Amino acid sequence: EVVLTQSPGTLSLSPGERATLSCRASQTISASYLAWYQQKPGQAPRLLIYNASNRATGIPDRFSGSGSGTDFTLTISRLEPEDFAVYYCQQYGNSRFTFGPGTKVDLK
Amino acid sequence: EVVLLESGGGLVQPGGSLTLSCVASGLSFSSYAMSWVRQAPGKGLEWVSAISGRGGSTYYADSVKGRFTISRDNSKSTLFLQMDSLRAEDTAVYYCAKALVSVTTFDSWGQGTLVAVSS
Repeated sequence: EVVLTQSPGTLSLSPGERATLSCRASQTISASYLAWYQQKPGQAPRLLIYNASNRATGIPDRFSGSGSGTDFTLTISRLEPEDFAVYYCQQYGNSRFTFGPGTKVDLK
Repeated sequence: EVVLLESGGGLVQPGGSLTLSCVASGLSFSSYAMSWVRQAPGKGLEWVSAISGRGGSTYYADSVKGRFTISRDNSKSTLFLQMDSLRAEDTAVYYCAKALVSVTTFDSWGQGTLVAVSS
């Protein structure tokens, strides 16, 4: 089973700053099977990025994804007030889905 | 617009059973695989189960295999999760989620329904 590790656990930043979130897999995975979600308190997760680098419908271009193999990155180029949330990476393999533990982006 | 609406959550005693439902609208329901994903209070996301578009294939996380059963009624655009032998560790908000055509990602989520297992 693929285990996803996310770092850092918490990222404290100010609006306008750049956020770089990491997701590392315990074994090589296809970039086609890596996604990122945003979750705000009391809300369902929202798909941001699929296939490692494709923005989902309606997602602003300040969100970008990259990576391959075992290392993947979500970058928020300039944080907006509404971007403070928890971010999860997720992978698919062998008809199963696994999520990383999440990175919380909070206000510095 | 795709809308997923879960129901059926509540308080149940350990060892009890509960059935969750998720009614979908705004999509050709039978064309998409669906999943249940749960989130324990203050914790991260955990995939629970998935079912193919026509219902012929089902998949389960090891933590629920043998206790939970996923099914769907495409004529009613409804997804189900039958939960038996419930444990305290099953306490969570349960979300239904629609998969992309590629199956590998969830592009629409319901608002969730809370299941609490406690005596």
